[in-house]
Amino acid sequence: DQQVKQNSPSLSVQEGRISILNCDYTNSMFDYFLWYKKYPAEGPTFLISISSIKDKNEDGRFTVFLNKSAKHLSLHIVPSQPGDSAVYFCAASDGGSEKLVFGKGTKLTVNP
Amino acid sequence: DTGVSQDPRHKITKRGQNVTFRCDPISEHNRLYWYRQTLGQGPEFLTYFQNEAQLEKSRLLSDRFSAERPKGSFSTLEIQRTEQGDSAMYLCASRKGQYETQYFGPGTRLLVL
Repeated sequence: DQQVKQNSPSLSVQEGRISILNCDYTNSMFDYFLWYKKYPAEGPTFLISISSIKDKNEDGRFTVFLNKSAKHLSLHIVPSQPGDSAVYFCAASDGGSEKLVFGKGTKLTVNP
Repeated sequence: DTGVSQDPRHKITKRGQNVTFRCDPISEHNRLYWYRQTLGQGPEFLTYFQNEAQLEKSRLLSDRFSAERPKGSFSTLEIQRTEQGDSAMYLCASRKGQYETQYFGPGTRLLVL
């Protein structure tokens, strides 16, 4: 069963606008969440994370929001740039396990 | 700042052959992880080392797969008697401590013909 779900396989936005990528999870034991960006033929690159004790974390153009009651998180990119075009993975872990559980990814395309 | 490195980056092999991949983690990172990513999927956890001890293994890691980290530094992942279903990107990650971020290497892309 898919414990981390990214229901949008792709998203296309215009340069300068906001990109919103969504992620849902089913395991209530997850307490740490991360977003990774991946270019073709490269490994995932860490972007931003959030712990379950927070509901928002910002780093430059990237903001992650966590809604624990809805088991939902989102990544906002403002403003979007063509270099942001990549596949974005949502990942989660619980305190008792070392492994990350990933969603299937959302391919973001930012058009100039 | 040296990141996680993996070798080789690409491997093509015939079904039934054995292959071995190497991962060099970021120095001072005592935790090392192997993941596998197939087309259209996110990375899936395979196994985890803390120093030289293999502490967690996924049920995805069949008996044809073996991983080692003999001196607590680099790690190897060996697949024996490869099958076409083993074709995937094999990713290695490392981190310093339990509440630190996992940093990934570039991956080894395996194609089994």
